[in-house]
Amino acid sequence: GAGVSQSPSNKVTEKGKDVELRCDPISGHTALYWYRQSLGQGLEFLIYFQGNSAPDKSGLPSDRFSAERTGGSVSTLTIQRTQQEDSAVYLCASSLRDSNYGYTFGSGTRLTVV
Amino acid sequence: AQTVTQSQPEMSVQEAETVTLSCTYDTSENNYYLFWYKQPPSRQMILVIRQEAYKQQNATENRFSVNFQKAAKSFSLKISDSQLGDTAMYFCAFMKPREYGNKLVFGAGTILRVKS
Repeated sequence: GAGVSQSPSNKVTEKGKDVELRCDPISGHTALYWYRQSLGQGLEFLIYFQGNSAPDKSGLPSDRFSAERTGGSVSTLTIQRTQQEDSAVYLCASSLRDSNYGYTFGSGTRLTVV
Repeated sequence: AQTVTQSQPEMSVQEAETVTLSCTYDTSENNYYLFWYKQPPSRQMILVIRQEAYKQQNATENRFSVNFQKAAKSFSLKISDSQLGDTAMYFCAFMKPREYGNKLVFGAGTILRVKS
């Protein structure tokens, strides 16, 4: 696609429920990143995928968070048993392999846990 | 680990005036890249400008320019002739090239409001 597409744009869920956030990167971009933006804070790295290599999961805050990337393209971030502190904007970005020109971001999913 | 600090949570500027946003970072690396991203209310992160640490010349993109002081580890963004559309959150970010995964490390951001 022309840009990085994320869905849903907004998600409200009840505490304890599981949620799935989707990211469709730019065609041809082999690198994919997930970041979390909490209110009043900067962007926090969550996870990185590069081609068929093992993902870098070093930023995932707890074992309730997981992500997968199927076929080297679409990625899904799953949060199990959501907590109120999970409320944030989740941003996905993609780039050419190991690009040092920065990433192209999606518009994010705003997650609200009530 | 690298850290990025933006000491100005909020800034205001009158339309057509010039404003400078501050950013400092901490690293022991010699080769790295610095970025400024803009995030308007639409949440879409937009790359404003990029600086390569090994280049002494300050990067410029139209009304946007940086003052890169490598020894001081400072990377400020100057916006000239401010426009209402410049109203956004601005993030400074650091990237160290790696063999696997060029992560961006972001500052906390500065909210810029351009007033008419």
